[in-house]
Order: sequence, then C-alpha cells, then structure tokens
Amino acid sequence: KAGVTQTPRYLIKTRGQQVTLSCSPISGHRSVSWYQQTPGQGLQFLFEYFSETQRNKGNFPGRFSGRQFSNSRSEMNVSTLELGDSALYLCASSLAKTSGSADTQYFGPGTRLTVL
Amino acid sequence: EDQVTQSPEALRLQEGESSSLNCSYTVSGLRGLFWYRQDPGKGPEFLFTLYSAGEEKEKERLKATLTKKESFLHITAPKPEDSATYLCAARGGGFKTIFGAGTRLFVKA
Repeated sequence: KAGVTQTPRYLIKTRGQQVTLSCSPISGHRSVSWYQQTPGQGLQFLFEYFSETQRNKGNFPGRFSGRQFSNSRSEMNVSTLELGDSALYLCASSLAKTSGSADTQYFGPGTRLTVL
Repeated sequence: EDQVTQSPEALRLQEGESSSLNCSYTVSGLRGLFWYRQDPGKGPEFLFTLYSAGEEKEKERLKATLTKKESFLHITAPKPEDSATYLCAARGGGFKTIFGAGTRLFVKA
C-alpha cells in the first residue's frame, strides 16, 4: 500500500508570494492533518480535516488555510509569505473509522519550504 | 492546557548501553499516546500507539510503556542505526495531536 505522498518536496519562494502544498493520504484514510516543523518550535499543529470538514485549527494566522477534497486529498495554502514561514510542512493521514477515533497518524516525507 | 514534555533533550549512549526516554503528558481525556522516530530531513516514522495505562508494546530493541501521567520508550542494547530523534505525541478529545519537542538519541559504536 502506498504511503502518504506530498508535493512538491522542495519549494523556494520570496516574501509576499503565496504557496499551495498538496497531500495525498494513504488509500482508505479519511482524516488528514498538517503540521509545521521548525528547529526552534518542533512540530506545531496547523489543522485537521475529516470528510472535507476542518475539525480543529492550531494557533496560526489566517494566512494559513487548507481544504480537503471528496477523495480525501488535501491542500494547504499560505498567502503573503514571510521569512518565518520557512519550515518543513508535514502531512499525516489516519484511518478515522469514526469522527472521534484516535487512530494512528502516518506521515508523509514533507515539503521543505524556503522563503527568501 | 494540553502539554507534552520529553526528557532528556539529547542522549548519548555507547552501543549496547540500554536506557529510557521519558514523555510526560497533560491531556484531557487521553485517547492515544504515540511514539515516532524521525531521521534528519524526513517525515516521522510510526513506532507505537498506546491507549490505556498499563499497556506495553515491543518492536525489536524498543519497548513502550504507558502510565496515567507518562510514557517511557525503553531502548535495549542500542545500535548506531538507532540514532534519530524520537517524538512522543498525545491526542485528547479535541481532534488535536500534541507533540513533544523530541529526544535526540546518539548511539556510538
């Protein structure tokens, strides 16, 4: 079974631009979560989606947004990029048989975003 | 506020020297406690899920245990290839998984 895939793997942008990252979950997984990882802050929760609905959102500004499609694939968007947005963005999927289940999350390889 | 704290921040071992990593959590209505291994530049790799106090799971040289306040990852006779960052995460009832800062493990041959 294929794992979580993320595209692109590497991205270089300049301040003020916007970026869209894509995540394809493991087949059959219904929940997708996004995390930002930096050396100083570790893994920070961005948001979680289940059946196209955002279930929770972390403490990030409104420049960070996401969505999930009917096939469970997900995208996240960052507008008006800042230098501090440089990070590894990780996507994780879980089976989530029900909306309240605490299934294990499986991570993709991440997208390395560099903002110049 | 939900919180996950890992200790130590870094651990240096000789090959074969067993030790334990600690994960203390404060999460309302714990629904799952997770351990991951992460190599530099890669996504976290799943190791274990624990659901209730007293539960234990093993995989090769690793064993994870869970109490009502903390979890331990025991590493028996580690090898250099066990060198990585080990992440602990807890999920409560709010559809949010909180990660600790991780423990960086270095195993010297």
